[in-house]
Parts: sequence; C-alpha cells; structure tokens
Amino acid sequence: GQNIDQPTEMTATEGAIVQINCTYQTSGFNGLFWYQQHAGEAPTFLSYNVLDGLEEKGRFSSFLSRSKGYSYLLLKELQMKDSASYLCAVMDSNYQLIWGAGTKLIIKP
Amino acid sequence: DTEVTQTPKHLVMGMTNKKSLKCEQHMGHRAMYWYKQKAKKPPELMFVYSYEKLSINESVPSRFSPECPNSSLLNLHLHALQPEDSALYLCASSQEEGQPSYEQYFGPGTRLTVT
Repeated sequence: GQNIDQPTEMTATEGAIVQINCTYQTSGFNGLFWYQQHAGEAPTFLSYNVLDGLEEKGRFSSFLSRSKGYSYLLLKELQMKDSASYLCAVMDSNYQLIWGAGTKLIIKP
Repeated sequence: DTEVTQTPKHLVMGMTNKKSLKCEQHMGHRAMYWYKQKAKKPPELMFVYSYEKLSINESVPSRFSPECPNSSLLNLHLHALQPEDSALYLCASSQEEGQPSYEQYFGPGTRLTVT
C-alpha cells in the first residue's frame, strides 16, 4: 500500500529552527510537495522536490532523499505566524497526490 | 491572479436538501479538483476534471455530482447528504493534470454541516 508518515505535532520556540520529517512508501515517485495549512484555511504551496538535495526558499528549505524515501522541511527564524499544519504529499506513478496526515506545528514565544 | 475562489464559505443543510458548491479560477488552469477534508486529516481527492472532462472519480457516492460548465468554473451538486458528509470541501486547480511540477492552488474551502 501507499503510506506517508509525519509526526502528528511539534512544538518550537519563536526565532528557533525546526525540522519536520516525512517518510514515504508509494507506487512510483513523481515528486514531493510541502504545503502549509492554517486552521480552517486552504493549503498553500511551499515547495516541490523531485531530485535529491536541498531546495532553499527564504526561511524555508526542503530536502529530499529518494533512495531513503525521506524528506524534511526546515523552517528557520520561526515566527508566530508559522504556527500551522504542514502537509507532505507525494505524486505517485499515476500522477496522483498521496497526502500525509500533516504535522501541527506550535510556536511558543 | 493566483486565486481560487469558492462559495459559499459556510453551508448548513438538511439531509433532504439540494445545494451546490461553486469554485472559480482565472489562471487559465486546465485541471480542477474537488477534495474533502475532515478535521485533522489530509485532503481526500474526490474528482478531477481535465480540460472540462471528468478524469477521475474516486468512487464517490452519487449524492455528490460534479459539473464543469467551462474551463474557469467547477460546481459540486449535493443531494440527500448524510451527517458524516460534514467536512471542509476544497477546490483546487493546476496548470495541467498529471504534470509533476505543477503545484495545485487551493481555494479557501466551503465548511459544510449536514444536519
């Protein structure tokens, strides 16, 4: 079967750095997406990785290792507005998005 | 304009009612999606339209009926729903279906409560 695992919840301090991990087992791989979703709002696109390595975009970076079926989202200089759920999604061989359950990130002052 | 709009924002309906959810995008995207999302769960794909034709129906009950009147609009017609259908219904669009690098843009969702 297809499976994506993320921690359910994480807590971090304002100004710090946090890493949210995602491991996946899917039938085929056509890229991995990270989305941010604030409570009661729509998911918004953060990053896309299809090749191994680190993609940096401002305070957010995303890493992929295809051989390990592993990705992480790194958030630096955390701000209170970063409190949200972070969803990892893999596009499988049928070009369908398989979603993880999301990681709820709580930022404390 | 990178916006997907959805109406209404909230909807309360009885089990015998008929209602419709609407979604609109003006980004020239040719793929549009309906998702259902329960609290603390990831979005579940319901339907995909590609070039105004139904491409994927994820075994959704017939009480949900999608419609794509044109390339900018997507509707979801609801009839005889059950209380367990209460959820956040998200519409999304992407440039093309089945293209890996094209991210999906999501609308704000319709919070549906079935009483």
